[in-house]
Parts: sequence; C-alpha cells; structure tokens
Amino acid sequence: GAVVSQHPSRVICKSGTSVKIECRSLDFQATTMFWYRQFPKQSLMLMATSNEGSKATYEQGVEKDKFLINHASLTLSTLTVTSAHPEDSSFYICSAPGAGDYNEQFFGPGTRLTVL
Amino acid sequence: GQNIDQPTEMTATEGAIVQINCTYQTSGFNGLFWYQQHAGEAPTFLSYNVLDGLEEKGRFSSFLSRSKGYSYLLLKELQMKDSASYLCAVVDSNYQLIWGAGTKLIIKP
Repeated sequence: GAVVSQHPSRVICKSGTSVKIECRSLDFQATTMFWYRQFPKQSLMLMATSNEGSKATYEQGVEKDKFLINHASLTLSTLTVTSAHPEDSSFYICSAPGAGDYNEQFFGPGTRLTVL
Repeated sequence: GQNIDQPTEMTATEGAIVQINCTYQTSGFNGLFWYQQHAGEAPTFLSYNVLDGLEEKGRFSSFLSRSKGYSYLLLKELQMKDSASYLCAVVDSNYQLIWGAGTKLIIKP
C-alpha cells in the first residue's frame, strides 16, 4: 500500500530557530501533498497544499513566509517553520492521496514540535 | 459556511456496539471518509461512502444519507484497542477535505 514517512518524529528547539520537517511518499509518487497542524484535543487543520514544481497554496490565516513549503520532487515535500515560537508547538502531519480505491489520504506518522 | 458535527466524546463497553454520528453542511458533496486516530499518531483510513447506504467492512460499518447530510460509523464487538478518536471528513464540491473535530471513543472493560 501507499506509505508516507515523516522526519523527524519529534523535535525540541529554542525560540527563534528554524525547523525543517520532511514528508516522503515511499512507494508512490505524489504531485500533491497536504500539510496539517493539530493542537491537543482538536481536529486536523489544513495549513497548505504542496504542489510539485510549483508554489504551495496556503489556507487563509497561514503565513507563507513563516511556514515555507518546498515540493522539489514527486516523493518529497518539506515544511520549514521559520523563527519558531512557543505558540508554533503542535503536531504537524503530512498526507498524500495514494493509489487507493477511494483516492483516500495516506498520512505520515506526524512530527511533534516543541518550541521552548 | 461549511460545518461538520460529531459528538466530542463517547463511552462504550468492551464487546458492545457503538454508533458514532456525523452530520454535515458543505458546499457540494463528493464523498465522506471515516478515519481512526490513536493518541499521538496519524489518522488511518477506515471507510468511504459516496452513495446512500451501508458499507460493511468486518467489525466496522459506515452509513450515508446524502439527503439528510448524515453518516454514522458503527463499531461492533468492541475491543480495547478501538479506543481512539474517529474523524469524519467530507469532500466538498472543490474536492477539498473538510474535517470534523473528531469523536473520542473510550472503551471500558
């Protein structure tokens, strides 16, 4: 089946630093990937749609200069949280539509970001 | 606006049956997904409905009524490992996924 990996799974950083999160489709190609953020006890919030070879599409209220997305290949999308602050601490999850019967999303295992 | 409603939390007993409801109001409809999410993990796909009726898959079944904007996920023979959040998500007319807040299901022995 379609497998999506994320790295790192957990990161702790100081306020003001930048953090890069990688999302890879391991056994399929993904021209589109989605980045979500999930705060405790809340649902998934779509941040942006990553498009291979073109600019990402950001949801309303998401700062594109703070959350940099690069989709340089058909199997890799990266999210960089620039100048991270404690309020950016969250669970970040990527997903991609795989070759499932229903065009369902396949999710990466998520990245737990803690900004001190 | 677009809205998906699910109960916040439900409790059930091991071995029993539980039904988790989802009502939606979206701009168009191109299908409804149910996902399971264990704490601290990513969601995993459970089911997809696009036509009215019941889809059965092992212990899990999902029902859809498009005219009522309503779906439910039915879990039978509950096991402790079924303790998780269950997310309802609707594909709207722009093929965007609209997510519900999820229902936390607690299974008691």
